[in-house]
Amino acid sequence: EIVLTQSPATLSLSPGERATLSCRASQSVDIQLAWYQQKPGQAPRLLIHDASNRATGIPARFSGSGSGTDFTLTISSLQPEDFATYYCQQYYSTLLYTFGQGTKLEIK
Amino acid sequence: QVQLQESGPGLVKPSDTLSLTCAVSGYSISSSNWWGWIRQSPGKGLEWIGYIYHSGSTQYNPSLKRRVTMSVDTSKNQFSLILSSVIAVDTAVYYCARSPLDYGSGRANWFDSWGQGTLVTVSS
Repeated sequence: EIVLTQSPATLSLSPGERATLSCRASQSVDIQLAWYQQKPGQAPRLLIHDASNRATGIPARFSGSGSGTDFTLTISSLQPEDFATYYCQQYYSTLLYTFGQGTKLEIK
Repeated sequence: QVQLQESGPGLVKPSDTLSLTCAVSGYSISSSNWWGWIRQSPGKGLEWIGYIYHSGSTQYNPSLKRRVTMSVDTSKNQFSLILSSVIAVDTAVYYCARSPLDYGSGRANWFDSWGQGTLVTVSS
């Protein structure tokens, strides 16, 4: 099983600041990693696929980078609607897709 | 624009069978996509249950494989999940979702569209 470890668990920032979220895989997943945003009571929303490709309709302030085992989601300038929980997911191992445990981005 | 909607009982007794259906609208289930189920226990993270192709091909989470069955009904444009012998830890919000087909490998990828989710509680 490929374990995804996200850090930090909680990130406290102010609107306008830059957010950097990390996702580390227990073994290489190449670039087969996606990022999702989830708000309370809602389903996850795809932000990034293939490590760095923004999904349709996702604002340019969201960007993804990395390959192999280390990945980063960056939000360049936080908007009020960006405060949510973020998950990474690997689809390299088709026997078992796994998600990270999430990073909660909260308003400072 | 694709829409997915889960339906099924909100309460299931321990040892019984959980049955959910995902109705797909605005998009053909016979298109080149895999269709998956993911669950989220209260206050916890996301767990992939499995996915199915319109041909009936499936892939299940090994930890649930013994209890999971997925099926697809192309005439109704929907797919279903059956989880047998449920226990309390199966209590979760269950989501259905669409995954684009990787044409090179034939496998599923990320999940680009999700249903709103349905809470299933396992309790007597």
